[in-house]
Amino acid sequence: QSVLTQPPSVSGAPGQRVTISCTGSSSNIGAGYDVHWYQQFPGTAPKLLIYTNYNRPSGVPDRFSASKSGTSASLAITGLQAGDEADYYCQSYDSSLSGSDVFGTGTKVTVL
Amino acid sequence: QVQLQESGPGLVKASETLSLTCTVSGGSITNYYWSWIRHPPGKGLEWMGNIYYSGSTNYKPSLRSRVTMSVDTSKNQFSLKLSSVTAADTAVYYCARRPGIYNSLGFDYWGQGTLVTVSS
Repeated sequence: QSVLTQPPSVSGAPGQRVTISCTGSSSNIGAGYDVHWYQQFPGTAPKLLIYTNYNRPSGVPDRFSASKSGTSASLAITGLQAGDEADYYCQSYDSSLSGSDVFGTGTKVTVL
Repeated sequence: QVQLQESGPGLVKASETLSLTCTVSGGSITNYYWSWIRHPPGKGLEWMGNIYYSGSTNYKPSLRSRVTMSVDTSKNQFSLKLSSVTAADTAVYYCARRPGIYNSLGFDYWGQGTLVTVSS
């Protein structure tokens, strides 16, 4: 059972904006630990999409942005493209139970 | 460019021990945390544990009794052992680099993953 909750799926038409929420608690996001986001296509390894709450690694388009507030974080994709159809995971650190890295439940983005 | 490559048996019998090795190339294993993450079919990503290049470890509590991680800096490798496996341990296993303390920078480099199936 994951401690970070995401919607199972979101969808949008090409060109639209979609957002994915990541809800945590006072022992992870709410405690100030950083949030990271990953993009995973079927059969491939996850790719770091956003690190340290809102930073994009080199090569990630600025159509992808993220924010964090309180016990939650969110990822936004603007100008949705067919190639964005993938699974997205948030990830943080949790100080309970001796400290653990934790992943969100994952969200499937579908481009209509 | 840092590259990670998992290696090990793709089929393990139930109740036996799963053993995987991750070889790091294009960079040194020193001064970083290294992690094992798995992805069971139809489920989400699951962090299993981390090992620092010095050998200190941190395991997911629910796996702690079955997991052992080790590092060989001379070979630029780190390894995973998971004992008493069951069908629930069938998954794609990834190794990854974890640059920051308290995971402040995420997992920035990943291996391609290796599917391990537990057979009865």
